[in-house]
This record gives sequence, C-alpha cells and structure tokens, in this order.
Amino acid sequence: NAGVTQTPKFQVLKTGQSMTLQCAQDMNHNSMYWYRQDPGMGLRLIYYSASEGTTDKGEVPNGYNVSRLNKREFSLRLESAAPSQTSVYFCASSDPFQPQHFGDGTRLSIL
Amino acid sequence: GDSVTQMEGPVTLSEEAFLTINCTYTATGYPSLFWYVQYPGEGLQLLLKATKADDKGSNKGFEATYRKETTSFHLEKGSVQVSDSAVYFCALSDQAGTALIFGKGTTLSVSS
Repeated sequence: NAGVTQTPKFQVLKTGQSMTLQCAQDMNHNSMYWYRQDPGMGLRLIYYSASEGTTDKGEVPNGYNVSRLNKREFSLRLESAAPSQTSVYFCASSDPFQPQHFGDGTRLSIL
Repeated sequence: GDSVTQMEGPVTLSEEAFLTINCTYTATGYPSLFWYVQYPGEGLQLLLKATKADDKGSNKGFEATYRKETTSFHLEKGSVQVSDSAVYFCALSDQAGTALIFGKGTTLSVSS
C-alpha cells in the first residue's frame, strides 16, 4: 500500500549542482503534482501533469523542469541549484476533482 | 485569482479544549474545499472535504461546513487530544480540478 513514493528523502547540494527528484505513484491516477513548502508560505505549486504526456507550469516554475516519464512517474529537475531552492518538496497525485495524495517529501538543502 | 486565508498560528490549547481554525476563501465558481493535516516529518494527509454548499465534512472528530454565503470552511473539534498536534492546511480545488490552492497553514499544539 505504498501510495506516493518520493526519493531521496534528504539531500544536500552545493550551489550550481544539478539534481533530479523522483516520484512514483501506484494508484493509477491521471494527474501528478510537484509542490514546495516553505515556512509561513504554505504549499506552492511548481508544475503539474494533468495526464501522461502533458505538463504545465504552476505558481513558481522558475529554475525547475519536469518530466512525466509514464503514468506512474513524475520527476522534478533542478538544473543549477540555488540557495533559494532550499525547501521541502512534495509530490502528489490524484484524479481530477478528487483529493490529492501526498508523498512524505524530500528535504533539500542548497549551500 | 483564487485564494485561501486561514488564521495565523500557532494555536496552543490544553487537552479536551474546543478547537476552531478559521478558513475563508475567494474563488470563482464552486470549488471543492479540503482540510489537510501534516504531522511532524510527514507529508500531508486528507482530513476531510466538502464538495458543495452546506456540505459538512467530518473525520476523527473534526468537522467543517462549506458556507457559501460567508465563503468559509472553518475547522472544529469538540475536544482536542495531544495527538492532534500538527499543522492544518485549508485548501480549495481550482476550477479545472487540476490543482489545489493552499492556505499558509496553522500550527496546533496541544498540551496535557
């Protein structure tokens, strides 16, 4: 009963390094999402994928790219990490108008 | 655009106290409304939801009623427990049902 699985759980990067955050869901959901959570800011949508083969920008897409590899997997890439991208990243999945299911998050620090 | 405003925290209560966390929203159309809870070190879990006006969502003793006339979805619990200590997020679905818009979260701390 895995639900949404994110890897890694923790990561420390240096400024300028690149990294891909992985997300996989086993609930056969059409839609997947990437959010970032910062203190006092709630969750903000980075990118989402309404269905396999499509991706769209959310509220804060700058500095990120995504790939919807197949129906199960949705990855988030930081090409050149910046300290402002230090955050907790959450992946979620759902079907339209249904509650989203969240992973446990990736805690990313950029020095 | 659509937005969610929830009361600032932290909220500190003694065990068995009554809890209210206020949430108001601005949206076009008729969004679905949600409360999510986040325990320390974990992801968000759906606590309850309501999909139309006057619906009451309930779960684990928590309740919230979708009030269209006041654009509100306040979270209540009659008697909180130490295990309810967490961060609570109010959220609404956008018109296309493609994303959630979250409030900033309210931290609840319950002491015995």
